Amino acid sequence: QVQLKESGPGLVQPSETLSLTCTVSGFSLTSYSVSWVRQPSGKGPEWMGRMWYDGDTAYNSALKSRLSISRDTSKNQVFLKMNSLQTDDTGTYYCTRDQSTASDWFAYWGQGTLVTVSS
Amino acid sequence: IQLTQSPSLLSASVGDRVTLSCKGSQNINNYLAWYQQKLGEAPKLLIYNTNSLQTGIPSRFSGSGSGTDYTLTISSLQPEDVATYFCYQYNNGWTFGGGTKLELK
Repeated sequence: QVQLKESGPGLVQPSETLSLTCTVSGFSLTSYSVSWVRQPSGKGPEWMGRMWYDGDTAYNSALKSRLSISRDTSKNQVFLKMNSLQTDDTGTYYCTRDQSTASDWFAYWGQGTLVTVSS
Repeated sequence: IQLTQSPSLLSASVGDRVTLSCKGSQNINNYLAWYQQKLGEAPKLLIYNTNSLQTGIPSRFSGSGSGTDYTLTISSLQPEDVATYFCYQYNNGWTFGGGTKLELK
């Protein structure tokens, strides 16, 4: 059974760094890619970046200068770090998995974690 | 590629045929999916590759389109279909539309 679960602080101060962890089960990170997607309240989702199954990464060009995605395959975890947070970074952050190794659409989603940027 | 969904808000009655639109700023080459999101939940995959129905999704949902213009159709609206619907393209990068909120009239 494929599962993904996000964890991290619910509140971050402006200008500080956000660190989130996605813990997965039911599949191997060396076989499937995992993406981070965020969603401000009342708005559409935004793809942030991807950890490919081979360890390569891809980032949204609008976030690339602030964003880093890494993984620990032994712990089945994918990490997101984003610096210089501002209030418009507030929203729900999801980790997602492609449906199959040959697909680019997200069939599996975590429950999401709400991140509020505020002093 | 930017995706524009219309309308942003749609009111319809149970049993109505409902059509939601998604327009890309460039050719999407049929690499388009649709998601349903209910309040407080993660998005749920309905359709991929323009018209392929995800396993377990009712057959009243269907997708069509080509080039830059795509449509999600619900053939007979049910109360449980009240949600916000997002299109998503994976032809060039990965981007979502702004959503159409579907409510009951």
